[in-house]
Amino acid sequence: QVQLVQSGAEVKKPGSSVKVSCKASGDTFRSSAISWVRQAPGQGLEWMGGIIPIFGTPNYAQKFQGRVTITADKSTSTVYVEVTSLRSEDTAVYYCARSGVRSEDPFDYWGQGTLVTVSS
Amino acid sequence: DIQMTQSPSSVSASVGDRVTITCRASQGIGNWLDWYQQKPGKAPKLLIFAASSLQSGVPTRFSGSGSGTDFTLTISSLQPEDFATYYCQQANSFPYTFGQGTKLEIK
Repeated sequence: QVQLVQSGAEVKKPGSSVKVSCKASGDTFRSSAISWVRQAPGQGLEWMGGIIPIFGTPNYAQKFQGRVTITADKSTSTVYVEVTSLRSEDTAVYYCARSGVRSEDPFDYWGQGTLVTVSS
Repeated sequence: DIQMTQSPSSVSASVGDRVTITCRASQGIGNWLDWYQQKPGKAPKLLIFAASSLQSGVPTRFSGSGSGTDFTLTISSLQPEDFATYYCQQANSFPYTFGQGTKLEIK
């Protein structure tokens, strides 16, 4: 059974950075891509980017290029998303989601979500 | 980017009703369309993948159809646990994009 366990809630100041982790259980990494999807309060879902940990090269939505970095640590089966230059609009729940390694594979397992609040 | 448009944005229905939600893509995406259900405070849950394939463990009252640009999610007989928000998502090309969501409320 696949489990994705995310790090806890964060409160950050505007202009700072945040790094959220997503630890996968078992052999998930070998046959998975991990994406990050965020959801602002009362809003819809937004795909930020993803990575296939065994290959290591991330893919980003244009909107987040340059401000978001996704990395994977195969030794701990953990994927990270770091967002820099935080602004109030980055306040959201950040989810990691697992899919197969084909680009068309669906998100079949999700983390529990991590609330990031950006406030002065 | 491919734009995904869902309709309606919200719908009120009763237990036992049949409900259909539509999703339109701004360009053809083959059958690479997935449907998710989200309840308040919870992560989304995969219901349907590749337009019409039912995810394991999902009740058979959920079904999906369509290809190209027009897709539908149908719930044949609403149950109390089905009241939630539903999202479509295209998996044809990066960046993946979601519809704005359809909130299914109790009448």
